Amino acid sequence: GAVVSQHPSWVICKSGTSVKIECRSLDFQATTMFWYRQFPKQSLMLMATSNEGSKATYEQGVEKDKFLINHASLTLSTLTVTSAHPEDSSFYICSAFEGGIQETQYFGPGTRLLVL
Amino acid sequence: EDQVTQSPEALRLQEGESSSLNCSYTVSGLRGLFWYRQDPGKGPEFLFTLYSAGEEKEKERLKATLTKKESFLHITAPKPEDSATYLCAVQAISNDYKLSFGAGTTVTVRA
Repeated sequence: GAVVSQHPSWVICKSGTSVKIECRSLDFQATTMFWYRQFPKQSLMLMATSNEGSKATYEQGVEKDKFLINHASLTLSTLTVTSAHPEDSSFYICSAFEGGIQETQYFGPGTRLLVL
Repeated sequence: EDQVTQSPEALRLQEGESSSLNCSYTVSGLRGLFWYRQDPGKGPEFLFTLYSAGEEKEKERLKATLTKKESFLHITAPKPEDSATYLCAVQAISNDYKLSFGAGTTVTVRA
């Protein structure tokens, strides 16, 4: 149980275009999902908290107009990187919060974004 | 601010050579301490949650323990498939279930 998927796993895009990444909890409902980015050989950095049916909460220094988050259902959150630039190239990972007994974040497999 | 420090940064082990990883933390009210395993190019895989000092949890060759200031992840008789980066994270009571991660310990087990 507690499986989280992400799509796509890899994306290459041109500078100035927008990219949407989907995060789905496959076998549980998640009122809260989190979005992280990870640079090579570094740990995970929390970007934002996504709550179903309400606006996302962004961490300090993360541009909310740049990284649009939508949590339209209890199993799906999306992250859209708008007007992507090479410095946005990174590994983006989502997690879904399983709020039962475990109260644990389960992570997706990640999406590698390369902006040319 | 919550802080998590993991040591060592990297650990090279011979197959069967047991060792421990350390996670030191400061947090304003601990809700839980989490251990994850991350393989290259993949998302973290959940291993354990520890909630209170003195608690221990085991899974195959891994055992996690918790004190008021640190947690240890013991790897007993490791195998090459245990090679990964092990991440420690804390969740504060006041923090809406957010996790603060350490930098990780990269373990390499040679056959």
